[in-house]
Amino acid sequence: DGGITQSPKYLFRKEGQNVTLSCEQNLNHDAMYWYRQDPGQGLRLIYYSQIVNDFQKGDIAEGYSVSREKKESFPLTVTSAQKNPTAFYLCASSMAGGNTGELFFGEGSRLTVL
Amino acid sequence: QKEVEQNSGPLSVPEGAIASLNCTYSDRVSQSFFWYRQYSGKSPELIMSIYSNGDKEDGRFTAQLNKASQYVSLLIRDSQPSDSATYLCATPPRGSQGNLIFGKGTKLSVKP
Repeated sequence: DGGITQSPKYLFRKEGQNVTLSCEQNLNHDAMYWYRQDPGQGLRLIYYSQIVNDFQKGDIAEGYSVSREKKESFPLTVTSAQKNPTAFYLCASSMAGGNTGELFFGEGSRLTVL
Repeated sequence: QKEVEQNSGPLSVPEGAIASLNCTYSDRVSQSFFWYRQYSGKSPELIMSIYSNGDKEDGRFTAQLNKASQYVSLLIRDSQPSDSATYLCATPPRGSQGNLIFGKGTKLSVKP
């Protein structure tokens, strides 16, 4: 089945630790995105990538980093510099250059800082 | 930065009624709008898109766009308890490379 796989689904982190969230897709999509969702909030864009080895900051990139070494993979690292990392993280993909508005989302990763 | 505004709700309707969800946006040049449905604890999924003024129907769902008034709405006819979810309105920002700006969502509850 084609889709987007995020892991882990739940993650607990101590303050001061970096964590990496995995996102893998087999939809052959060029574009990939990371969004963050807080309770009662909409989705806010962290980073996005249109092609391999290239990515751009979204609206709330501070404290996060990404890489895009392979078309299928777009991991997100939540660094210790992120002040309020507890949130629901959603990875998505779409066809390149498409403004169809159709983003395909993974199941999400819920990060809790202890 | 464009903004997309939605009433957070919750909006409660009885089963079989019409649910009306509204969204307003700030950028007059916005051309396309999308409605995503998100069940509690799950990821969003696209249910409707609309690009031109007027209505677009798909089954029990109707999207309405009024560019002059800068609002877009989603009507759900014959609401079912399975429609209970949060509905997110979204639009591409200027210069978008596929990314979307999302509203905060309206939580809909359909009571049996």
